[in-house]
Amino acid sequence: KNQVEQSPQSLIILEGKNCTLQCNYTVSPFSNLRWYKQDTGRGPVSLTIMTFSENTKSNGRYTATLDADTKQSSLHITASQLSDSASYICVVSGSSNTGKLIFGQGTTLQVKP
Amino acid sequence: ETGVTQTPRHLVMGMTNKKSLKCEQHLGHNAMYWYKQSAKKPLELMFVYSLEERVENNSVPSRFSPECPNSSHLFLHLHTLQPEDSALYLCASSQDGLGVGFDGYTFGSGTRLTVV
Repeated sequence: KNQVEQSPQSLIILEGKNCTLQCNYTVSPFSNLRWYKQDTGRGPVSLTIMTFSENTKSNGRYTATLDADTKQSSLHITASQLSDSASYICVVSGSSNTGKLIFGQGTTLQVKP
Repeated sequence: ETGVTQTPRHLVMGMTNKKSLKCEQHLGHNAMYWYKQSAKKPLELMFVYSLEERVENNSVPSRFSPECPNSSHLFLHLHTLQPEDSALYLCASSQDGLGVGFDGYTFGSGTRLTVV
């Protein structure tokens, strides 16, 4: 069964600290993996998209890694800011005719001053 | 704004009401989607339209009825909903019909629906 599991479910950190969010998936065959940021009451916004051959990709203070062998990805946030408070969703796309996206349940991050 | 606009942003309706959600995309994309997002659960795909034809209907109850009159507009007609239908309803669009393309999805801001 194609699944995407994220951990932790929620996380609280102090402003300025770093944190790492985890994503494990069982989707096969694999096409690409995306991380989205979703602010409260808003739609998800794409942060990074990685294909099978990419190990790491950065977008400002956000760095995503991908290990296609172990089927794991992480999103590292450096020098967190209050505006980083949001849900972070890992989404995996399989190489199939239906092209379905498999969504994780998200990690809720709260950055406190 | 992301280029995908949803209205209304908030909606409260009774179980006997009929209402419609609207989505409009200004990105020239070929595919549009409806998703349901409930608290603490992953996004659930409801409907997919590619080039104005419905290509997927994920066992959604008939009280939800989609309509795609053209490639830029998507509606979700609601009638006789249940309280458990309360959720954030997200519209998305993509360039290709499957949403797996490298350019990915663009989501709207959603409609927060409360059924009382």
